[in-house]
Amino acid sequence: SQTIHQWPATLVQPVGSPLSLECTVEGTSNPNLYWYRQAAGRGLQLLFYSVGIGQISSEVPQNLSASRPQDRQFILSSKKLLLSDSGFYLCAWSALGSPLHFGNGTRLTVT
Amino acid sequence: TQLLEQSPQFLSIQEGENLTVYCNSSSVFSSLQWYRQEPGEGPVLLVTVVTGGEVKKLKRLTFQFGDARKDSSLHITAAQPGDTGLYLCAGVWNTDKLIFGTGTRLQVFP
Repeated sequence: SQTIHQWPATLVQPVGSPLSLECTVEGTSNPNLYWYRQAAGRGLQLLFYSVGIGQISSEVPQNLSASRPQDRQFILSSKKLLLSDSGFYLCAWSALGSPLHFGNGTRLTVT
Repeated sequence: TQLLEQSPQFLSIQEGENLTVYCNSSSVFSSLQWYRQEPGEGPVLLVTVVTGGEVKKLKRLTFQFGDARKDSSLHITAAQPGDTGLYLCAGVWNTDKLIFGTGTRLQVFP
C-alpha cells in the first residue's frame, strides 16, 4: 500500500534562517507531488506541484522553492525565512485519476 | 486564478440539526472533491463528483455537483458531534492541479 511521510511535524525557526521540509512517498511510482500551505482553519493554498523528477511548477511568487531530486521525494526550502512563512505545510501525492493523499503536515513557526 | 469560495465560513450547531455547506466558483472544473480535516492532520477525501448534476450519498452526507460544474453543496442530515471538523471542497483543474476552497469549520455540540 502507498504511504506518505512528511517531517518534521513541528518546527520553530528564527527569521532569516534556512528551511528544509522533506516529503517521501512509498508504494507508488511517478506520482504527482504537491506542497500546500494552510492558514489556521482555512483552505489550502497550492505552492508547488511536480509531475516528474526535476519538474517543478510554482503557483505563487514567494520566498520558498521546491525540488524533486528523486521520483518519490519532494523538498520545500527557503534560504531565509520570513515571519509570513509561518503556517501549516502539507505534502500530498496523487496518481492519474486518483484523489490526493496528504501527509500529516508540518507546523512551522517563524519567530 | 481559479477561486473556490465556501460558505458559511463557520457553522456551530446542535446535535441532530441539518446543515448545508456551499462551494462556488466562476470556473468550470472537470471534477470536484470534498475533504474533511481534523486538527493537526491532513485532509481526508470524502467523495469525488464528476458529472454535472451528480448527487452522491455517504451515509448522512449528500453531495451535489452543479449542472454547470462550477459549484457544489454538502448537506449533512442529523449532524453528530463526530461530524465536527474542517470541510474543504477542491476543484480539479487541468488534470494535475487541485484548487481548494476557503473551508468551512463545523462544530456540532452534543
